[in-house]
Amino acid sequence: EPEVTQTPSHQVTQMGQEVILRCVPISNHLYFYWYRQILGQKVEFLVSFYNNEISEKSEIFDDQFSVERPDGSNFTLKIRSTKLEDSAMYFCASRASREQFFGPGTRLTVL
Amino acid sequence: AQSVTQPDIHITVSEGASLELRCNYSYGATPYLFWYVQSPGQGLQLLLKYFSGDTLVQGIKGFEAEFKRSQSSFNLRKPSVHWSDAAEYFCAVGQNYGGATNKLIFGTGTLLAVQP
Repeated sequence: EPEVTQTPSHQVTQMGQEVILRCVPISNHLYFYWYRQILGQKVEFLVSFYNNEISEKSEIFDDQFSVERPDGSNFTLKIRSTKLEDSAMYFCASRASREQFFGPGTRLTVL
Repeated sequence: AQSVTQPDIHITVSEGASLELRCNYSYGATPYLFWYVQSPGQGLQLLLKYFSGDTLVQGIKGFEAEFKRSQSSFNLRKPSVHWSDAAEYFCAVGQNYGGATNKLIFGTGTLLAVQP
C-alpha cells in the first residue's frame, strides 16, 4: 500500500541553524500539507500546497518557513533560522481526493 | 471559524469496559470528520472517517463513530476496550470544498488510559 514517507525521523539542530525536512508524498497525490505538533499539544496546520504554490498558510507559517516541491517526488519544509519554540513533531500529509494520508513525522529538536 | 472541542482531556477505563470519546465541532456546512489515534512518539493513524451518507461509521480496531448534525458531534465508541487501545485520540474536521477537503483542524486530544 502506498504511504507518505518522511526523513529524517529525528533531527537535532542548534538554534539559528537552517533545517530542511523532507517528505515523499504518495505518487498520484496533488495536494500537500505540513502540520506541527508541539509536545503534549494538538496537531496544528502549517501550510497547504497545490499546483506548485501555497494555497493556504496559518499564522504560524511566518517568513522563517518555506515549502518547495523541488522535483516530481519530494516536498520539503525549510525553517531558515530555527528557534527553541520550533521544537516539535512535523507531519507531512498528501491527498488525491477527500482523505489526507499522514507520514510518520519528523521530530525536530532545537537546542 | 472552524473549531473542534474534545472536552475530556484524560479518560481512564477498565479493560473490557465500553468507551465513548466526545467530539464537538463548529463548522458552517457539512464537514468531513475524522478520528485519529496516536501512540507515544508515533504518527497519526486514521481510525475512521465520515464524508456523507450513513451517519454511523465503522473503523478499524472495532471502533465506530456517529455523526449527529443536530448536536454537532462525532463521538467515538468502542464496546469493549483492550489494553492496547491506550493512546491519545484526536478528532479532526476537514473543510468540505466542493467534494474535496482542505486543511484539517484538530481537537486537543483525549488521552485514554486502560486499567487491567
